[in-house]
Amino acid sequence: DTEVTQTPKHLVMGMTNKKSLKCEQHMGHRAMYWYKQKAKKPPELMFVYSYEKLSINESVPSRFSPECPNSSLLNLHLHALQPEDSALYLCASSQVYGGGSYEQYFGPGTRLTVT
Amino acid sequence: GIQVEQSPPDLILQEGANSTLRCNFSDSVNNLQWFHQNPWGQLINLFYIPSGTKQNGRLSATTVATERYSLLYISSSQTTDSGVYFCARNNDMRFGAGTRLTVKP
Repeated sequence: DTEVTQTPKHLVMGMTNKKSLKCEQHMGHRAMYWYKQKAKKPPELMFVYSYEKLSINESVPSRFSPECPNSSLLNLHLHALQPEDSALYLCASSQVYGGGSYEQYFGPGTRLTVT
Repeated sequence: GIQVEQSPPDLILQEGANSTLRCNFSDSVNNLQWFHQNPWGQLINLFYIPSGTKQNGRLSATTVATERYSLLYISSSQTTDSGVYFCARNNDMRFGAGTRLTVKP
């Protein structure tokens, strides 16, 4: 099974709301990733978790707060977002992170609209 | 910074035609992936290819790591091949800007 699942598929939130995006994989992967993709642009890496520890934070604003409760789950907590944060948020996983690098598998994404 | 350049940016084909998409890197590549992003946003893995050639049905890919480029070949294109094709360098998961492919019936 090479599936990464994400919920919800769509999310509309106001600038004062708090919401969370969820990602799950059951491939036994120990690295998980969050990406942001604006329309007609490529995905951009936001965070990398390796063995449930945050390894990479690509200078993402603090209104985005990642969490990795266990090796299968990855959350992205959202608070006080701006309209320009509207985008497709993609989760991915790979066997491990770093070293020789490994194939990444992506979830279907959450399409976020901030009003 | 490290650049990942894809060409062409846009490509329109008639169904049944063949095409070649290119990905150039400004720095070394430990590993490379090709993806197809469908209209709903799902990134579908096509190839994980550090070097050499791989084939999967009508698609094949070749990476020449020493020359820092990779090619994706699509033969006998179908309308379902439409979408955006991305290459990404796995060292740092940096994506190219993509090639938007439209296959017309």
